[in-house]
Amino acid sequence: GQNIDQPTEMTATEGAIVQINCTYQTSGFNGLFWYQQHAGEAPTFLSYNVLDGLEEKGRFSSFLSRSKGYSYLLLKELQMKDSASYLCAVRDSNYQLIWGAGTKLIIKP
Amino acid sequence: GAVVSQHPSWVICKSGTSVKIECRSLDFQATTMFWYRQFPKQSLMLMATSNEGSKATYEQGVEKDKFLINHASLTLSTLTVTSAHPEDSSFYICSASEGLDSTNGFFGPGTRLTVT
Repeated sequence: GQNIDQPTEMTATEGAIVQINCTYQTSGFNGLFWYQQHAGEAPTFLSYNVLDGLEEKGRFSSFLSRSKGYSYLLLKELQMKDSASYLCAVRDSNYQLIWGAGTKLIIKP
Repeated sequence: GAVVSQHPSWVICKSGTSVKIECRSLDFQATTMFWYRQFPKQSLMLMATSNEGSKATYEQGVEKDKFLINHASLTLSTLTVTSAHPEDSSFYICSASEGLDSTNGFFGPGTRLTVT
């Protein structure tokens, strides 16, 4: 079966760095997405990786290793507004998005 | 970035009535639109995928006669929840893309449906 694993919850301190991991087992691979979702709101797109390596976008970076079925989202200089759920999703060979359950990130002052 | 709108943002309806939710892509042509449902503290659940001008593809366990999807144009898709029941109360979110191989994904703001 297809599976996306990410930690259920993480806690970090304002100003620090946090890494949210995502491992996947899917039927084929056509890209990996990271989304941010604040409580009660729809997800917003953060990043897309299809080749191995690191993609940097301001305070957020996303890394992919296809051979290991592994990705992480790195958040630097954490701000209180970064408290949200972070969803990892993989597009399989049928171009279907397979979703992780999300990681709830709690930022403490 | 691209903008996707949904209307209404919230709706309360009585059991047995039908509710229509609209999803519009405002500044791009959405060849493909996805409809999701999200229950509290749970991840997104894909309900169906719709391509403009063709019938929607429903996920297993989603009743196509209950959740009617129409994608009549490249900028508009509608989801109609027919004969709504309290268990249909949920957060319904649409996502639009220019194609199945799009490198991004834009979501509407969601519609919170409460069935009394």
